[in-house]
Amino acid sequence: GEDVEQSLFLSVREGDSSVINCTYTDSSSTYLYWYKQEPGAGLQLLTYIFSNMDMKQDQRLTVLLNKKDKHLSLRIADTQTGDSAIYFCAEGDDKIIFGKGTRLHILP
Amino acid sequence: GAVVSQHPSWVICKSGTSVKIECRSLDFQATTMFWYRQFPKQSLMLMATSNEGSKATYEQGVEKDKFLINHASLTLSTLTVTSAHPEDSSFYICSARDWSTWKDTEAFFGQGTRLTVV
Repeated sequence: GEDVEQSLFLSVREGDSSVINCTYTDSSSTYLYWYKQEPGAGLQLLTYIFSNMDMKQDQRLTVLLNKKDKHLSLRIADTQTGDSAIYFCAEGDDKIIFGKGTRLHILP
Repeated sequence: GAVVSQHPSWVICKSGTSVKIECRSLDFQATTMFWYRQFPKQSLMLMATSNEGSKATYEQGVEKDKFLINHASLTLSTLTVTSAHPEDSSFYICSARDWSTWKDTEAFFGQGTRLTVV
């Protein structure tokens, strides 16, 4: 069935780049998403990428998509303490399939 | 891992009727549940946050009288779409977390409910 896999934890030093990886199984999705969830808050859509793109950059965020390998990554440049959150990879058009989320921890 | 069961997975109803969607946490206590809706090819929008035993907190622009949320127990929250209209047709998804054990816990999602109002 459809599945989205991502690692559960990532620790990064402040100022370094964070790279969160995700693999998915449904190759028919038009959209792939990255959501952010801060403590006590709901999901926030960070960015999305169309399946016909291989890269999208938005300020400190860079999304890379490898359709052949069904691999999606989110790179956060110059990671700040405010980036500490759980990041969800998701794919799908009508029905959204989410990963379990990657908890990003920022080291001082 | 923890499982959140959302039911039904899809429902078709007539305009003017009400529809109830259930969200259950199967192996943990969901002290907080979030309800989202998503229109096709759009982002997931948070509708409301509910804490067990308390009234739900609705996001701006969400009609609390139309989208009734009940979170009466630690394992069940319901969303009732009252007097549904075609514009309410959407994908609704719940998310549950357990804040009672430790801070910043992982959120678990239901698989969503596709509501079609005809």
